Amino acid sequence: SQTIHQWPATLVQPVGSPLSLECTVEGTSNPNLYWYRQAAGRGLQLLFYSVGIGQISSEVPQNLSASRPQDRQFILSSKKLLLSDSGFYLCAWSVSLSGGYNEQFFGPGTRLTVL
Amino acid sequence: KQEVTQIPAALSVPEGENLVLNCSFTDSAIYNLQWFRQDPGKGLTSLLLIQSSQREQTSGRLNASLDKSSGRSTLYIAASQPGDSATYLCAVRGRAGNMLTFGGGTRLMVKP
Repeated sequence: SQTIHQWPATLVQPVGSPLSLECTVEGTSNPNLYWYRQAAGRGLQLLFYSVGIGQISSEVPQNLSASRPQDRQFILSSKKLLLSDSGFYLCAWSVSLSGGYNEQFFGPGTRLTVL
Repeated sequence: KQEVTQIPAALSVPEGENLVLNCSFTDSAIYNLQWFRQDPGKGLTSLLLIQSSQREQTSGRLNASLDKSSGRSTLYIAASQPGDSATYLCAVRGRAGNMLTFGGGTRLMVKP
């Protein structure tokens, strides 16, 4: 069966510090990978998605970046955090099957607080 | 641009009631619609996926319907229980890419 891991689970960082959040998926090959952010009082916002190693698409311009160094590893980074980067970060995966079938599955999330 | 709306934003019901959560979307050109459950401080759990060619999907006490032409989906929860208390999110996948567009969610509380 497939599982998705995210770490750390919680993180408190000062403004201006760097960020690295990691997501790994087990039990599947060549998944589509996604980073979402859920801010207080706001819905889920897609930040980045990737259909393969080194292939990253950004949905929202901001001071965050994403990388996919391995097939089942997705990393969210920032060089300098802003207060507005606080939120709940969720990683998700899916595989594209015949007939347009594509179900997304989410990880447990990382709670980031920028002070 | 696809927009997804969920009404009501919050709902409180006594245990045992049957209830309906609503989801509407503006662009009917979708591949599928997915319903999720989110407990406080947790990730999303996929409940049901309805392909665009399907009218409904069932899992246990949950039944989700899809009327693509009118841009609506409903999630029906039968015989609600306190353990059903959570935020329920619907999301649609458009025909351009694999991305989901989410609604704002319905926060459900089932009181014993």
